[in-house]
Amino acid sequence: AQSVSQHNHHVILSEAASLELGCNYSYGGTVNLFWYVQYPGQHLQLLLKYFSGDPLVKGIKGFEAEFIKSKFSFNLRKPSVQWSDTAEYFCAVFTTSGTYKYIFGTGTRLKVLA
Amino acid sequence: DAGVTQSPTHLIKTRGQQVTLRCSPKSGHDTVSWYQQALGQGPQFIFQYYEEEERQRGNFPDRFSGHQFPNYSSELNVNALLLGDSALYLCASSLVPSGSKNIQYFGAGTRLSVL
Repeated sequence: AQSVSQHNHHVILSEAASLELGCNYSYGGTVNLFWYVQYPGQHLQLLLKYFSGDPLVKGIKGFEAEFIKSKFSFNLRKPSVQWSDTAEYFCAVFTTSGTYKYIFGTGTRLKVLA
Repeated sequence: DAGVTQSPTHLIKTRGQQVTLRCSPKSGHDTVSWYQQALGQGPQFIFQYYEEEERQRGNFPDRFSGHQFPNYSSELNVNALLLGDSALYLCASSLVPSGSKNIQYFGAGTRLSVL
């Protein structure tokens, strides 16, 4: 069955620390990859996306993610986190062959200490 | 430019009752998808509507049904509510249901509590 795994459920960092959140998916076909963020009290917002081309994609607020096809991974990174990055982060895969649907991971709650 | 709007914001029902949730897509979008997000979980795909028809469906029972209107707005209906249906229900809209560059925009959700 298709699935998305996020390895870290809770992450606590101090400001200026580097961040890497893992995401792996299981799906053999062509996929589009996304990271969504949900700030406290707000709705899900798109952070960044990968469709094709350069596997290193840059998103808003200094976030980036790298697609490694051989590892079925799409890890999210940020060199230096800020207190305002405190949020829940969801990795999502959109399957583009056969059935067209989003599959979300279970999310990672990030808390950044000021 | 209005984003995705959902109503109501919160809802409390009892077991066995029926509920209807509503969604208006982002301006210019014609496809609506519904998700269930249980506490501590990621959103789970329920189904997607395009051209007033259900196009894709996730692993949800027939108690979950929907509708899309000519103005692209949509309703999610859940019959015979169970305690386990308590969750945040999210609506997302996009331009097309499939294709290689599908980006969905999410509403704030409806929090359903079943007592």
